[in-house]
Amino acid sequence: DSGVTQTPKHLITATGQRVTLRCSPRSGDLSVYWYQQSLDQGLQFLIQYYNGEERAKGNILERFSAQQFPDLHSELNLSSLELGDSALYFCASSVGRLGNNEQFFGPGTRLTVL
Amino acid sequence: DQQVKQNSPSLSVQEGRISILNCDYTNSMFDYFLWYKKYPAEGPTFLISISSIKDKNEDGRFTVFLNKSAKHLSLHIVPSQPGDSAVYFCAATSSNTGKLIFGQGTTLQVKP
Repeated sequence: DSGVTQTPKHLITATGQRVTLRCSPRSGDLSVYWYQQSLDQGLQFLIQYYNGEERAKGNILERFSAQQFPDLHSELNLSSLELGDSALYFCASSVGRLGNNEQFFGPGTRLTVL
Repeated sequence: DQQVKQNSPSLSVQEGRISILNCDYTNSMFDYFLWYKKYPAEGPTFLISISSIKDKNEDGRFTVFLNKSAKHLSLHIVPSQPGDSAVYFCAATSSNTGKLIFGQGTTLQVKP
């Protein structure tokens, strides 16, 4: 158990819909990261927040947005969903904001768009 | 553009033997490298890392080697155990960012 929790574990929805994925980081961690793992791709970095502020952005679609709240939990919002958005979404957390801080991953949310 | 590549999708070794997983990168700005291990239905778990100022880092049965001139790193597992069977991801980053760039993963199977 990494100490990072993600809800829900599974999500099935239809094209065009909007969903929210939630992540609670390990106690004491200030950074939260979101990654997407599609069937044909490895883990793709989406976005990082550090202590409530956006810190780094990857190939995140404009239809996707995220935020980190004062209690440090984070939400990833996916809207106008398409079939290709079906993937595993992982959240990770670390103490610091730099890459040499070990990132601890949650168990993931499996999103299926029908 | 795949900045981190793991060219072997799978590897099978006998229990007790050495497992060698390879990873290549293209971005010269990367200065920190990590290996993660992933079991089905779980998130990746950190295994071992290496800074670009070193060429080797060891932790128990796991050793990571870095060849900066070749932009290549490898993970050695000695001796391999059936519990090591998992997907192994190589990742790279520039230490002034938190962004990890992952390879596609290599599925390791250790046969009893």
